[in-house]
Amino acid sequence: AQKITQTQPGMFVQEKEAVTLDCTYDTSDPSYGLFWYKQPSSGEMIFLIYQGSYDQQNATEGRYSLNFQKARKSANLVISASQLGDSAMYFCAMRRNTDKLIFGTGTRLQVFP
Amino acid sequence: DSGVTQTPKHLITATGQRVTLRCSPRSGDLSVYWYQQSLDQGLQFLIQYYNGEERAKGNILERFSAQQFPDLHSELNLSSLELGDSALYFCASRRGAGATDTQYFGPGTRLTVL
Repeated sequence: AQKITQTQPGMFVQEKEAVTLDCTYDTSDPSYGLFWYKQPSSGEMIFLIYQGSYDQQNATEGRYSLNFQKARKSANLVISASQLGDSAMYFCAMRRNTDKLIFGTGTRLQVFP
Repeated sequence: DSGVTQTPKHLITATGQRVTLRCSPRSGDLSVYWYQQSLDQGLQFLIQYYNGEERAKGNILERFSAQQFPDLHSELNLSSLELGDSALYFCASRRGAGATDTQYFGPGTRLTVL
């Protein structure tokens, strides 16, 4: 069965520092997609970054990058130069082909000055 | 702004009642997904529609139903509400069936059942 594991319930980082949020996944399908979403306290789910299982390079979107290690089944999110506005819940999710998203339990990131 | 709209933003109702949540997908998106986010269950997939047809079902209770209309907007109907149905309900839309198509989420409807 497909599963997403986020082992860090909470993380703290100082402003302007980089932080890595961990995500491991389990699937036997060769084709899948991995996503990260941000959920601020206001509640909306904001798409951050996508990595396909066949993508050769790690995905990057501005200050966000995805450290994709296929053999280890990990898809960690790296946020560089953290900002106060990055404080939020972060969810890792997986999709097989055109299927639904399966979410992890999330990591609460707090950025302090 | 994701381009996905959901109404109402907040809904407070009593046990046993019925409510309807509405979602308008991004322009051109054919797929609509409904998710429930609760403290004890996390984010769970409920149901998916593609161009008016039900495509997949997840952990959706029999008291819940949904549909997608010809103009592609979707409604999630929740009936015989229980306290445990209190949650944040998200709608997400996606352009088509491509493997790389991203799901974009609406702002959610926060349902409180008293």
